[in-house]
Amino acid sequence: DSGVTQTPKHLITATGQRVTLRCSPRSGDLSVYWYQQSLDQGLQFLIQYYNGEERAKGNILERFSAQQFPDLHSELNLSSLELGDSALYFCASSVHEAGELFFGEGSRLTVL
Amino acid sequence: GQNIDQPTEMTATEGAIVQINCTYQTSGFNGLFWYQQHAGEAPTFLSYNVLDGLEEKGRFSSFLSRSKGYSYLLLKELQMKDSASYLCAVRDSSGAGSYQLTFGKGTKLSVIP
Repeated sequence: DSGVTQTPKHLITATGQRVTLRCSPRSGDLSVYWYQQSLDQGLQFLIQYYNGEERAKGNILERFSAQQFPDLHSELNLSSLELGDSALYFCASSVHEAGELFFGEGSRLTVL
Repeated sequence: GQNIDQPTEMTATEGAIVQINCTYQTSGFNGLFWYQQHAGEAPTFLSYNVLDGLEEKGRFSSFLSRSKGYSYLLLKELQMKDSASYLCAVRDSSGAGSYQLTFGKGTKLSVIP
């Protein structure tokens, strides 16, 4: 158990819908990262927050947004969902920005 | 941006040694990580190199050459449970205290009896 909690573990929804994925980092970790992993694809970096502030952005679609709240948990919002958004979405946290990443178990999103 | 290359798949025999290579190109290198990921599970940290040389950790060792943009992960005394994907990840410093960890597509290792 890495100490990073993600909910929900599984989510099935329809195209055009909107979902919110939630992540609670390890106690004491200030940095949160979101990654997307599609079938046969590597981990694609989406976005990173540090102590509530956006710090780095990867190839995150405009339909996706995220934020980190004062209690350091983070949410990833995915809207106007398409079939290709079906993937495992991982959240990871680290003590500081240059630290080792600890991953949650992931949220598996299926868009039908 | 970054370019990280590692073999897609490898097969090795139980009890043997296997070396998984990773090459990368980056402008602001700030460390290289190896993670293990079993199918459908979260990646777990294996090793970290920021200086040239070999880091040993039990059955696993990782090597880095910054001048060559090259790393390898060495797994000794292979066990069936080592069957997993091994992800090479490069941390890039983009300035202003910001870091980004980019992953390769991973090497799927199959350990056979």
